[in-house]
Amino acid sequence: GAVVSQHPSRVICKSGTSVKIECRSLDFQATTMFWYRQFPKQSLMLMATSNEGSKATYEQGVEKDKFLINHASLTLSTLTVTSAHPEDSSFYICSATRDRENEAFFGQGTRLTVV
Amino acid sequence: GQNIDQPTEMTATEGAIVQINCTYQTSGFNGLFWYQQHAGEAPTFLSYNVLDGLEEKGRFSSFLSRSKGYSYLLLKELQMKDSASYLCAIRSFQKLVFGTGTRLLVSP
Repeated sequence: GAVVSQHPSRVICKSGTSVKIECRSLDFQATTMFWYRQFPKQSLMLMATSNEGSKATYEQGVEKDKFLINHASLTLSTLTVTSAHPEDSSFYICSATRDRENEAFFGQGTRLTVV
Repeated sequence: GQNIDQPTEMTATEGAIVQINCTYQTSGFNGLFWYQQHAGEAPTFLSYNVLDGLEEKGRFSSFLSRSKGYSYLLLKELQMKDSASYLCAIRSFQKLVFGTGTRLLVSP
């Protein structure tokens, strides 16, 4: 099966700082990557969809200047939470799909805590 | 856009059968997925339906009716480890959008 690695799994940062989360497809080329956030006892909320080499498409209500997404290669996408605040504390999960396939493969998730 | 609804919580007994429903409205449809998620972990893939009908995979089966905008996940011979959240997701054009999720509690 396809493997997606997400790093770090947990991060604690101070309010006002920025945090970068990496999502890598280890054994396949990911033409599309998705970024989600999940609050406790809630489902996954799609933040943005990114395709390699092009700008991410953000969902309504997601601030693109706050959540910077870069999909510079077919195996790596990054999400940077800029000027983090306590309300940004959440579980962030990435997923990736292969070309012409619909199944998405998920990373392990990142638990972000902003103090 | 998409609107995907599931019951919030369900309870069932070990060894029983449970059906988790998902109703959806979407402007584009490239398939419906079911995922299982344990607390604090990433979702794991259970099933994929793109055509109408039933897909069976061991203790899990998933059904799709595109005309009715309806799917269900059927879990047989429930085990305690099946206590988890079950997420219905729609692939619509480029996006993969999740439903509200159903928390299943299996009791002895």
